[in-house]
Amino acid sequence: QVQLQESGPGLVKPSETLSLTCIVSSGFISSHYWSWIRQPPGKGLEWIGYVYSNGRTQDNPSLNSRVTISVDTSKNQFSLKLTSVTSADTAVYYCARGDEEQPWRFDYWGQGALVTVSS
Amino acid sequence: QSALTQPASVSGSPGQSITISCTGTASDIGGYNYVSWYQQYPGSAPKLIIYEVSIRPSGISSRLSGSKSGNTASLTISGLQAEDEADYYCSSYSRSATLVIFGAGTRVTVL
Repeated sequence: QVQLQESGPGLVKPSETLSLTCIVSSGFISSHYWSWIRQPPGKGLEWIGYVYSNGRTQDNPSLNSRVTISVDTSKNQFSLKLTSVTSADTAVYYCARGDEEQPWRFDYWGQGALVTVSS
Repeated sequence: QSALTQPASVSGSPGQSITISCTGTASDIGGYNYVSWYQQYPGSAPKLIIYEVSIRPSGISSRLSGSKSGNTASLTISGLQAEDEADYYCSSYSRSATLVIFGAGTRVTVL
C-alpha cells in the first residue's frame, strides 16, 4: 500500500519561498509521476506540477514559473518550492501519485498540509 | 485555463439516483477519454472513484458510475446513501500546457 506524507512549515511570510516535502513509503517512488495539488480554503483543486522518478518535471503555467519540483529517489521523497508567495497561495497542499502512463490520474494522496501565507 | 463547470450542489433522498455533470471543451473532456472523478469528505484528501470516464478502481462501490457525451462528463450515484454526502470533483487531461484541470466541485447532500 502506497502512503504519502507531506511535511513543512505551516506559516510562510509574503514574498518568501514555500517549501514542502512528501515522503513516499519505501520502494514505491520509481516509475511513477509525483504531483503537487493545492486547495485554497473552501475552494476547488489546482494542479501545481509533477516530477517523474527520473527527474523530469512539468508545472502549471498559471503559477508563472514560481514552481520548482524535485525528487530524491534515494530518500523516497519529492519536494515543492514555490517562490514569491502571496496570500493567494494560502491553501492545503497535497502530494499525490500519478499513474505510470497517465500522470493526470491521481490514485494515492497524502493527507494534506495547510500552508498559510501571512506576515 | 478555465476550470471545468460543475453544479455547486446536488441533493437527493436516500435510495434515489443523482447525476453530477461536468462540462469542458474539445481540448479536454471532448477530446479524450481521460476524465476522473474524486470524492472528498471534509478535512480529508480526495479519493479517486472513477477514471477513464467510467472505470471504477478496486473497492469502489458499483453504485457509482461515470459516462461522457461530447464535452460533458457525468457521475451518477445510484441508491443514494448517507455515506455519499461529500464533495465531488471532476478532472480531465487537457492538451493545453496545464496538463490536467479540475472542476470547482459539487456538494452532494442526502436529504
